Amino acid sequence: DTEVTQTPKHLVMGMTNKKSLKCEQHMGHRAMYWYKQKAKKPPELMFVYSYEKLSINESVPSRFSPECPNSSLLNLHLHALQPEDSALYLCASSRHSPGQGQDEQYFGPGTRLTVT
Amino acid sequence: EDQVTQSPEALRLQEGESSSLNCSYTVSGLRGLFWYRQDPGKGPEFLFTLYSAGEEKEKERLKATLTKKESFLHITAPKPEDSATYLCAVHFPLFNAGGTSYGKLTFGQGTILTVHP
Repeated sequence: DTEVTQTPKHLVMGMTNKKSLKCEQHMGHRAMYWYKQKAKKPPELMFVYSYEKLSINESVPSRFSPECPNSSLLNLHLHALQPEDSALYLCASSRHSPGQGQDEQYFGPGTRLTVT
Repeated sequence: EDQVTQSPEALRLQEGESSSLNCSYTVSGLRGLFWYRQDPGKGPEFLFTLYSAGEEKEKERLKATLTKKESFLHITAPKPEDSATYLCAVHFPLFNAGGTSYGKLTFGQGTILTVHP
């Protein structure tokens, strides 16, 4: 089983709202990732968690706040977003952490976020 | 400069017409090249991992190959259901910490494949 699940599938929020995106995997993977994908562009890395600790932050604005409650769950807390933050937000996981060696990442279906 | 370039940007094929997609890369010390398929509005689906020049992987009508500077995704006798965006990604090093090297996947711009019946 190589399934990564994400909720919600769609989210519409105003610029003053606070919302959270959720991601879950039960493959025993030790690394989890958040990506942002704009239309007709490839995914761009935002954050990497390795063994439940934040190991990479790609200079993401503080209005995006990641959290890894345990080895299976990854959240992305959103606050005071801008319309340009509208995108497909993808979660992924991999067996090993980026520091142990690079293996394939498995992606979830994504959350389509619209900021109004 | 480390980078990943895919070509062509778009490819239209007739059903059964075989072709190849290209992914060229520049990186110091390849630690992995990955092929993904992405359908509109969905997350990328993992296809292949290649680590060494000369390596080849196959899955149904798809075959991925790797040289020191590029990778090809060969599609044999494609069907309409093969229509998707195909993404190539390369692992690039970012920094070292505590004796461990950390990196990230950098994706090419993708090739939009359309297969007509």
